[in-house]
Amino acid sequence: AQKITQTQPGMFVQEKEAVTLDCTYDTSDPSYGLFWYKQPSSGEMIFLIYQGSYDQQNATEGRYSLNFQKARKSANLVISASQLGDSAMYFCAMREGQGGSEKLVFGKGTKLTVNP
Amino acid sequence: KAGVTQTPRYLIKTRGQQVTLSCSPISGHRSVSWYQQTPGQGLQFLFEYFSETQRNKGNFPGRFSGRQFSNSRSEMNVSTLELGDSALYLCASSPKGQGGSEAFFGQGTRLTVV
Repeated sequence: AQKITQTQPGMFVQEKEAVTLDCTYDTSDPSYGLFWYKQPSSGEMIFLIYQGSYDQQNATEGRYSLNFQKARKSANLVISASQLGDSAMYFCAMREGQGGSEKLVFGKGTKLTVNP
Repeated sequence: KAGVTQTPRYLIKTRGQQVTLSCSPISGHRSVSWYQQTPGQGLQFLFEYFSETQRNKGNFPGRFSGRQFSNSRSEMNVSTLELGDSALYLCASSPKGQGGSEAFFGQGTRLTVV
């Protein structure tokens, strides 16, 4: 079974609008971390935001926020006020356990296109 | 603070050759992980090193190996290259044990096997 599921292969959004990228995860470990990365066509994986399973509040980083719904095992990324430079692949990833392996399991990604 | 540095950025090799890729983590980070990214398989974990020890290994053949030096820099080696090894190889650096939970990636090495 897939541990990270991103159901949207592609998304389109108008510049200056908000967009939500979906991510669901599957784990039986009570301690885990959830990540979102942006990958432009250049290939670099850019860290956007992190949410720990014990964090009480949703993580936010500038225009990025993570809508963490633990009971639903959902960790959606919300990008507010989209910019043309936000066009890229977006990956959701999970790290299981704490103090152990740093291994990340990735979803298949969502290609976001921001239209002018 | 400098980010994660991977060298070289691009490589073209012939089948049967071997290749070594390098990754310098963020200063102070002791954990380095390697990933292979292909259009078909997506991002797959190769291995993780912490304090010069391999802590975890993905499901890759023994042709893929790595090591970490005392300054936390890491190298991965692929021997007897196959066409299917063509991929973007990404390295991630984590503070592990020093607080903070983020993992930061380098720009990757794009390997083409011909």
